[in-house]
Amino acid sequence: GAGVSQSPRYKVAKRGQDVALRCDPISGHVSLFWYQQALGQGPEFLTYFQNEAQLDKSGLPSDRFFAERPEGSVSTLKIQRTQQEDSAVYLCASSLAYGAGSNQPQHFGDGTRLSIL
Amino acid sequence: AQRVTQPEKLLSVFKGAPVELKCNYSYSGSPELFWYVQYSRQRLQLLLRHISRESIKGFTADLNKGETSFHLKKPFAQEEDSAMYYCALGRYNNNDMRFGAGTRLTVKP
Repeated sequence: GAGVSQSPRYKVAKRGQDVALRCDPISGHVSLFWYQQALGQGPEFLTYFQNEAQLDKSGLPSDRFFAERPEGSVSTLKIQRTQQEDSAVYLCASSLAYGAGSNQPQHFGDGTRLSIL
Repeated sequence: AQRVTQPEKLLSVFKGAPVELKCNYSYSGSPELFWYVQYSRQRLQLLLRHISRESIKGFTADLNKGETSFHLKKPFAQEEDSAMYYCALGRYNNNDMRFGAGTRLTVKP
């Protein structure tokens, strides 16, 4: 594809429901990142995959958040028992390089806007 | 803790005026700094990175390690520069990119 693709673009869920957000990175990109962006804030790191390995999940705010990338390509971010504070835009980014500290740019998707009622 | 600060949430200039978007960082190691831009209804995209020392769309940014700053500058702003700008810090052997809160630049005709 031409870029990072995320779906759905918008998701509305009731408090307590589980949601799953999908990210399809640029083909061949080793690294995949998830970010959470609250209104009026910059993106905040959630988790990082290098191929299929989740090497860093230090940014996940609670054990209700779970991410996977089983075949080293598409990734899913799952949030269980959603709370109102989970409302945010969830961004996915991919990169050719390993990690975030190699001076290589990250390519972002359009994000999923999650609203918890 | 490693942190990126963009002190201005909003910045408004007239077309043709110089513009400077401020970014300060806190990190004791060698930083890798980026500016990302998000135009209206578009995705976040890279504008420039310090290691390239390039000028993109007339914008430049110089890393000042003494002042721990990476301010973004353009001598003559254009209306199409109106967008949200984020400064970001990457660190060698780290996986998380740290973003500032962003500055919304409005260039008035």
